[in-house]
Amino acid sequence: DGGITQSPKYLFRKEGQNVTLSCEQNLNHDAMYWYRQDPGQGLRLIYYSQIVNDFQKGDIAEGYSVSREKKESFPLTVTSAQKNPTAFYLCASTLTDGNEKLFFGSGTQLSVL
Amino acid sequence: QKEVEQNSGPLSVPEGAIASLNCTYSDRGSQSFFWYRQYSGKSPELIMSIYSNGDKEDGRFTAQLNKASQYVSLLIRDSQPSDSATYLCALRPWETSYDKVIFGPGTSLSVIP
Repeated sequence: DGGITQSPKYLFRKEGQNVTLSCEQNLNHDAMYWYRQDPGQGLRLIYYSQIVNDFQKGDIAEGYSVSREKKESFPLTVTSAQKNPTAFYLCASTLTDGNEKLFFGSGTQLSVL
Repeated sequence: QKEVEQNSGPLSVPEGAIASLNCTYSDRGSQSFFWYRQYSGKSPELIMSIYSNGDKEDGRFTAQLNKASQYVSLLIRDSQPSDSATYLCALRPWETSYDKVIFGPGTSLSVIP
């Protein structure tokens, strides 16, 4: 079945530690996105990528980094510079024809120990 | 000014009533508009997309777009308890090169049996 797989479902970070959230899709989608959601809030865009080896900062990119070495994969690293990383992280993908819906992964809940 | 604004709610309606959810946006060049539904702890799922002024109906859902007023709404007829969720307004702002998708903060809807 085609879809987006995020892992792990739950992740704990120690202070000063970098952690990486995985996002893999087999939908042959060009564009991929990372969003952060805090309790009771909407989705805020962290990074997005339209093609391999290219990505753009979203509204809250500070303290995060990404890579897009393969079309299928768009991992997100939460660095130690992100002082308030506790949130629900959602990865999404879509075709880039301008009108396609976003397909979402099941999310990763990141908490600080 | 935030790019996408919604009333946070919670909005409470009795079962069988019409629920009206509203969204305003600041980028006059925005072209594509979406309504996503999100149950607690789950990923968002697309309910409606709308691209031109006027109404678009799909079952119990009607999306309305008024680009001159920079306003998009979602009506849910014959509301059911299963409609209780957070509804997220999303759009593609006018960008020359990249398919960026941004979300509003969401409106929490509670349908009372």
